[in-house]
Amino acid sequence: GAVVSQHPSWVICKSGTSVKIECRSLDFQATTMFWYRQFPKQSLMLMATSNEGSKATYEQGVEKDKFLINHASLTLSTLTVTSAHPEDSSFYICSASGTGETYEQYFGPGTRLTVT
Amino acid sequence: AQSVTQPDIHITVSEGASLELRCNYSYGATPYLFWYVQSPGQGLQLLLKYFSGDTLVQGIKGFEAEFKRSQSSFNLRKPSVHWSDAAEYFCAVEGGYQKVTFGIGTKLQVIP
Repeated sequence: GAVVSQHPSWVICKSGTSVKIECRSLDFQATTMFWYRQFPKQSLMLMATSNEGSKATYEQGVEKDKFLINHASLTLSTLTVTSAHPEDSSFYICSASGTGETYEQYFGPGTRLTVT
Repeated sequence: AQSVTQPDIHITVSEGASLELRCNYSYGATPYLFWYVQSPGQGLQLLLKYFSGDTLVQGIKGFEAEFKRSQSSFNLRKPSVHWSDAAEYFCAVEGGYQKVTFGIGTKLQVIP
């Protein structure tokens, strides 16, 4: 149980365009979802935390107008990278947390974004 | 603020040898501690976690970790490494509001 999926697993987009990444909890209700980014050979850095039906809380230094997060349902959160630039190329990983037995964070497989 | 230190960026061990990956944390209260493994281009897989109770935690794939409060450490161990264990290992600490902070990671190379 407690499976989290991400779609797409990889995406290539042109500079200036926007790209949306989906994160879904497949078998539990995720009251909280987290978005991380990971640069090559580096650790995961938390970008933002979102609770279902609420605005996301962004970490210091993360541009909320550039990285739009929506958590409209208990099983889906989306991250939209707006006006993407090559420096946004990274590995984006989401995690989801429920309540009770699913309180801990369950991580998705990640999405590789390449901006050309 | 919480933090995690993994002092070894890269470790090489021979297949069949024992392994210990070091992790030190900083957190004001009793921490929730985790070890994750990541294969290239993949997401994270939880190896084990410590919330409370027994300080020696057993995980998947034959891994274990010991929480030592006096040393602020949570080292990961395996008695006999397999070639398939080659990957990147991340130690993490969870603080308030489920905020998880990861260490920089230790890349494990296994030689035959």
